[in-house]
Amino acid sequence: RKEVEQDPGPFNVPEGATVAFNCTYSNSASQSFFWYRQDCRKEPKLLMSVYSSGNEDGRFTAQLNRASQYISLLIRDSKLSDSATYLCVVNNQAGTALIFGKGTTLSVSS
Amino acid sequence: ETGVTQSPTHLIKTRGQQVTLRCSSQSGHNTVSWYQQALGQGPQFIFQYYREEENGRGNFPPRFSGLQFPNYSSELNVNALELDDSALYLCASSSGQVINEQYFGPGTRLTVT
Repeated sequence: RKEVEQDPGPFNVPEGATVAFNCTYSNSASQSFFWYRQDCRKEPKLLMSVYSSGNEDGRFTAQLNRASQYISLLIRDSKLSDSATYLCVVNNQAGTALIFGKGTTLSVSS
Repeated sequence: ETGVTQSPTHLIKTRGQQVTLRCSSQSGHNTVSWYQQALGQGPQFIFQYYREEENGRGNFPPRFSGLQFPNYSSELNVNALELDDSALYLCASSSGQVINEQYFGPGTRLTVT
């Protein structure tokens, strides 16, 4: 089983749509959780950290379920500029490295 | 911008050669991590340096080695290059041994022919 697994994608949605990405992780000892965004041929950029209580940043909402080892990202009112690859990320047991999922590609069209 | 810089941006090498990639961390950060990202995959952890010592290593062979300098900048060295080493190499900067958030540089795209 891969350490971090994400929806395979790609997701193709119209502007204004709501889209949800799901992710599971295998190491119950992971303590930090993130969503990163990566544009084509660019470096990953931190989108948001994910907390057990859930957190929201504008149109983006992240949820964490530690019991199910499940992380989600919801994007409301999709914009063309949201088109990118979204990477689900957890830290390793020692806390010294980030473990990335393969990423899910989102394409928003007008 | 994160303040993390990498050089060179692109590099073409021949199988069997050696390569050195460089990274300058964000001001105030004493930890540098290196990742390899193959096409269509997520980044894979190579190793981390904290205060000039290797502080964790992923599943990469010994021909991948590194250094961190007193100013916290870092180098990644790869010996005996193989075709599968072709990838985007990312440097990430953070503070402390335990990772909370990391900030990535723009990467070095290495092509091995």
